[in-house]
Amino acid sequence: SQQGEEDPQALSIQEGENATMNCSYKTSINNLQWYRQNSGRGLVHLILIRSNEREKHSGRLRVTLDTSKKSSSLLITASRAADTASYFCATDIGAQKLVFGQGTRLTINP
Amino acid sequence: KAGVTQTPRYLIKTRGQQVTLSCSPISGHRSVSWYQQTPGQGLQFLFEYFSETQRNKGNFPGRFSGRQFSNSRSEMNVSTLELGDSALYLCASSTTSQEKLFFGSGTQLSVL
Repeated sequence: SQQGEEDPQALSIQEGENATMNCSYKTSINNLQWYRQNSGRGLVHLILIRSNEREKHSGRLRVTLDTSKKSSSLLITASRAADTASYFCATDIGAQKLVFGQGTRLTINP
Repeated sequence: KAGVTQTPRYLIKTRGQQVTLSCSPISGHRSVSWYQQTPGQGLQFLFEYFSETQRNKGNFPGRFSGRQFSNSRSEMNVSTLELGDSALYLCASSTTSQEKLFFGSGTQLSVL
């Protein structure tokens, strides 16, 4: 079974609105990362949050981590058409591999 | 600095054939990971190599194998192809740990 479960599976919003995606996981982690994938291409690393951190910012991105609930959220503020992509959370459980969630498909409508 | 390069970009094979995919990591990166991406299963970890040694392997049959060369370039091989092997195969490199992976554009494999 997947380590990471993402919610929602798909999200459609208007340009300028904020987008929030959630990720839940099952086991203890070293860190949690978020990646973006444009259609049919490779993934791009967005942000990493360590297990001892609760919140992190990078530009228009804000990530939170709640290790007691084993969950994380990614907030994209002031969305743009170029943000249209799939977003994946990935957990580092210390086994020389990342375990990816199923992803959230985000569509930004002009 | 050049990114992660995967070749070929697209590949069409028939059942029973074998295939070799290539990945050139970012210069200086010694860890190379491979993932299979399908619409149904999402991103599944295949294996990870560091300094020519396989450090971890996912739950794939023995038909899936890989190796890493002394220049950190990596190849993965799938023998006796099955229809279900149709997928996007992604290679990612990093310095030593898994804290930030840099992905290639992938090889789209279609098995007919």
